[in-house]
Amino acid sequence: GQQLNQSPQSMFIQEGEDVSMNCTSSSIFNTWLWYKQDPGEGPVLLIALYKAGELTSNGRLTAQFGITRKDSFLNISASIPSDVGIYFCAGLRNNDMRFGAGTRLTVKP
Amino acid sequence: KAGVTQTPRYLIKTRGQQVTLSCSPISGHRSVSWYQQTPGQGLQFLFEYFSETQRNKGNFPGRFSGRQFSNSRSEMNVSTLELGDSALYLCASSPGGRASTDTQYFGPGTRLTVL
Repeated sequence: GQQLNQSPQSMFIQEGEDVSMNCTSSSIFNTWLWYKQDPGEGPVLLIALYKAGELTSNGRLTAQFGITRKDSFLNISASIPSDVGIYFCAGLRNNDMRFGAGTRLTVKP
Repeated sequence: KAGVTQTPRYLIKTRGQQVTLSCSPISGHRSVSWYQQTPGQGLQFLFEYFSETQRNKGNFPGRFSGRQFSNSRSEMNVSTLELGDSALYLCASSPGGRASTDTQYFGPGTRLTVL
């Protein structure tokens, strides 16, 4: 079930703006993952983070693994209309994977 | 390399029936996990299979079961369907090595509607 606090729940932004969302937990995780899900489709992996403090980029996306191992954030720079969707964070420890409730992103052209 | 595939993509059943969903993992991946996604509950873990054995199980009733074959393909079965079982069922595969760093890749899901 969901044990990750993901915020914000939704965002309405103008094309070209930067976006930031984050996930926090009361527990430590060994891996943080960020996924994007389009309606009716499965989540697609965007970025995987394996080490505390790690900062990883994938095109216009940048994510960081918090130094406490209890949080992570995702930034999207210069948003475009196709960035629309629901973004999920996931934390993994041992055989246990937990998800955030998702951030619904709307980009206005 | 082909991604995770799930069949069928859409399914309509009536209450009391049973259903079997299929998942083919990424080639070389040995771990398959199943999730239920609903608007109200979000993503919930059902179970994980590794080398034909259930390695982990979520908090779902016994009506939900699964199995994995020697080629790593997995099936999930739901018996005596209830209206609340309507959901998107997602399968995810991972290499199956170190569980603490094993990134999961999702399939497109099977949308099950129970009438």
